[in-house]
Amino acid sequence: DTAVSQTPKYLVTQMGNDKSIKCEQNLGHDTMYWYKQDSKKFLKIMFSYNNKELIINETVPNRFSPKSPDKAHLNLHINSLELGDSAVYFCASSQDELTSGRALRTDTQYFGPGTRLTVL
Amino acid sequence: QQPVQSPQAVILREGEDAVINCSSSKALYSVHWYRQKHGEAPVFLMILLKGGEQKGHEKISASFNEKKQQSSLYLTASQLSYSGTYFCGTEAGTSYGKLTFGQGTILTVHP
Repeated sequence: DTAVSQTPKYLVTQMGNDKSIKCEQNLGHDTMYWYKQDSKKFLKIMFSYNNKELIINETVPNRFSPKSPDKAHLNLHINSLELGDSAVYFCASSQDELTSGRALRTDTQYFGPGTRLTVL
Repeated sequence: QQPVQSPQAVILREGEDAVINCSSSKALYSVHWYRQKHGEAPVFLMILLKGGEQKGHEKISASFNEKKQQSSLYLTASQLSYSGTYFCGTEAGTSYGKLTFGQGTILTVHP
């Protein structure tokens, strides 16, 4: 059974198109993430959701819009695709922990297999 | 600010040891280590928490110096399967739930 799954695995599209990537986790985790890994292997967080609520929203163009219909799913929609959007996009999930100070801290993150997006 | 890993790459023969370092300019709550093989997703190895708690792999060890804001991953008696890119992810004291990853260290183990 796949813990974190993503579809599609590969996505090749033209500049200017709109595309979506879907992510599902069956681990019962409360938090889900989107990461972008560029050609130099730099892995950078884009968004995180905890129980369907947006927690982290890094400096990402507003062409990128995440949506979490429930805590097991986090989708990423990208409008007006640009050449620079070409990368591998990873979804991840974790069961974050509430510390004594009531701050959410991330535990082990489980990554999906990735979606390789190529914009032509 | 992303943490800095060193070395950038290391080549070993089976059975040799390696140390990968991760250094941050911020006060840290935790350090996470992941390994990524070519074309695959990053896989969890270890978490080191402020205060000394650790969770992770039986055969891989790591240390976390909170004062120096540094962590080191120790790979002993390396096996071919250890080859891959190792990333440290740091969770800063004020960045709840956010991991910032280093640039990665490429480890290659030869027979």
